[in-house]
Amino acid sequence: AQTVTQSQPEMSVQEAETVTLSCTYDTSESDYYLFWYKQPPSRQMILVIRQEAYKQQNATENRFSVNFQKAAKSFSLKISDSQLGDAAMYFCATRGEYGNKLVFGAGTILRVKS
Amino acid sequence: GAVVSQHPSRVICKSGTSVKIECRSLDFQATTMFWYRQFPKQSLMLMATSNEGSKATYEQGVEKDKFLINHASLTLSTLTVTSAHPEDSSFYICSAWNSGGPSSYEQYFGPGTRLTVT
Repeated sequence: AQTVTQSQPEMSVQEAETVTLSCTYDTSESDYYLFWYKQPPSRQMILVIRQEAYKQQNATENRFSVNFQKAAKSFSLKISDSQLGDAAMYFCATRGEYGNKLVFGAGTILRVKS
Repeated sequence: GAVVSQHPSRVICKSGTSVKIECRSLDFQATTMFWYRQFPKQSLMLMATSNEGSKATYEQGVEKDKFLINHASLTLSTLTVTSAHPEDSSFYICSAWNSGGPSSYEQYFGPGTRLTVT
């Protein structure tokens, strides 16, 4: 079984500043993927970044990067130079290597202040 | 990236009627499609997984006779809410997955359908 925990219901960040969203997970899979999804007010789910568990190097996509701590089962998302368009609900999710079901966390609402 | 559409985007129906929501993968073949339900400010709750040409697999607690899912082709899945009641009002999201595609790790999400039952 897989579980994902996001302990921050809401976060705020000043425009141009950096914010980190937390995520911990539990899985019995030996190989798995981790994801961060963004859901803006339009409610369209957008993939922000993914991490293959077998890769030690932390994934990076422009202003978005992760801190993947496999032993601690932690997968935090760092957003640098925050922009107003980053305001959204962010979901952490995991999927097994051979499975196809995503397991989502409860989500974190990110507010960006100008 | 791949595009998934949903139709309609919004629907209002009267209690006791049925409503069908379509999910289409526009530029790829989806071997598997997923249906989620989302309440305001909450996470996505997986309702069922459908594989083309076979019966859907429902998550625990989801009434399969109420939420009928059909995945008749590799590009189309439908969710029919039968005898809808106000408590079925919610945001329904589909996603599509191609197990053999170059991005086989990724599910592609539709824009969602807001269902209101009056």
